[in-house]
Amino acid sequence: EAGVVQSPRYKIIEKKQPVAFWCNPISGHNTLYWYLQNLGQGPELLIRYENEEAVDDSQLPKDRFSAERLKGVDSTLKIQPAELGDSAVYLCASSLWPGSAKIFGPGTRLTVL
Amino acid sequence: ILNVEQSPQSLHVQEGDSTNFTCSFPSSNFYALHWYRWETAKSPEALFVMTLNGDEKKKGRISATLNTKEGYSYLYIKGSQPEDSATYLCAFEHSGGSNYKLTFGKGTLLTVNP
Repeated sequence: EAGVVQSPRYKIIEKKQPVAFWCNPISGHNTLYWYLQNLGQGPELLIRYENEEAVDDSQLPKDRFSAERLKGVDSTLKIQPAELGDSAVYLCASSLWPGSAKIFGPGTRLTVL
Repeated sequence: ILNVEQSPQSLHVQEGDSTNFTCSFPSSNFYALHWYRWETAKSPEALFVMTLNGDEKKKGRISATLNTKEGYSYLYIKGSQPEDSATYLCAFEHSGGSNYKLTFGKGTLLTVNP
């Protein structure tokens, strides 16, 4: 079975441009997470979905970031407009239930010039 | 703000050496402790999910222990191999009502020299 799929793997954009990341979780995993990992830091949660409902988006900078999980499967994370400080790895993960292993995708490495 | 501390920050060992890392976390509202291995350009790989105080888990040459009362976990690698080179992340999962949050440490970067 394929793992968590993310695309693109790498993205280079100029500041003020929009960018979108896509995630397809493990089949049957109702919980989906988006994490942000800055260089030298551990991943930090941006948003957590239970099915199509965003149950924790307290760390999502809502002035420029948005996310959706239509039909409770795939998810898209968008940044508009991107800033230099948004350069990071954006990780998507899914899990069956709290306490079970979160299965991560390979991440999207974003570079904002 | 929850603090999950990992030490050392980085480690260089020779092939065949055994090594261990530490993860410390808050002892309140504990739900689970996760260990991941993250190789460059790959997905973080789940190694262990530990939920009970005193838990010991093993996967090949890698093992982990958990002490929830004092808030620490150790990860051990026996007979390190170059393919063990990676960043090892621990994550503390805590519960607050129906909300579960995962807080990561900064990781330990292991380099195994042949």
